Amino acid sequence: EAQVTQNPRYLITVTGKKLTVTCSQNMNHEYMSWYRQDPGLGLRQIYYSMNVEVTDKGDVPEGYKVSRKEKRNFPLILESPSPNQTSLYFCASSKGDSYEQYFGPGTRLTVT
Amino acid sequence: QKEVEQDPGPLSVPEGAIVSLNCTYSNSAFQYFMWYRQYSRKGPELLMYTYSSGNKEDGRFTAQVDKSSKYISLFIRDSQPSDSATYLCAGTTNAGGTSYGKLTFGQGTILTVHP
Repeated sequence: EAQVTQNPRYLITVTGKKLTVTCSQNMNHEYMSWYRQDPGLGLRQIYYSMNVEVTDKGDVPEGYKVSRKEKRNFPLILESPSPNQTSLYFCASSKGDSYEQYFGPGTRLTVT
Repeated sequence: QKEVEQDPGPLSVPEGAIVSLNCTYSNSAFQYFMWYRQYSRKGPELLMYTYSSGNKEDGRFTAQVDKSSKYISLFIRDSQPSDSATYLCAGTTNAGGTSYGKLTFGQGTILTVHP
C-alpha cells in the first residue's frame, strides 16, 4: 500500500530534550515536506526537500532541522524543543512533477 | 497578511444543502490551486485541483478560481454527513522546480453536515 508513515504518532516531552520524528514514504517520491498545523493558523511548511541531500526552508523553519540522506526518509529534528513547538506535525511527499502531496497521519507533539 | 486567507467557520449545514467554501489569496504569481479534505485525526488528502481561472467539476464537487478577484471557491452539492471534515485551500506558483514542493495553505474551514 502506497503510504507516508510517521513515528511516533503521539509524543510528550520536556523543554530542551532533543527529539526526532521520523517520516518514510514508499512511493519513490522526490519531494518531501514537513508541516505544522495549529488552530487558526492552518498548515505551515517547516522544511522541504527536492531530493536526496537537497533541502530548503519553508515558512517557519526556526527551531527545526531536517536531513535527507535517503530518498524514502525525511526525519524532523528538534534539538532543543520549546513549548511553542507544541503542535500537530505532518510529513508529506510528492512526485517531482506533481503538486499532489500525500500526507502522513500526523504526529501530535506536546512540549512541557 | 497571510498569502491565503480562509474563513475557519465552523460551518454547519443540513444534509442535502449546497455548501460554498471560499478562500482569497494575495500572491499574484499563484496559478495552481488545490482543495484538500482532512477528516478528524487524519492527514489532509487532495480533493481537487485547478489551474489558473475557471471551473472544474468532479461529481458533487466544483472548484472555481477567479484570478481577477483572487478568489477560490469549492461548492459541494447534495452534501452528505460523510462530507463533514476540514477543507483546506492551497495555492502555488506553478513555476516548476522547487514550486512542486511549496504549497501555501489557508487556515481551513471546519464543515459539519448533520442528518
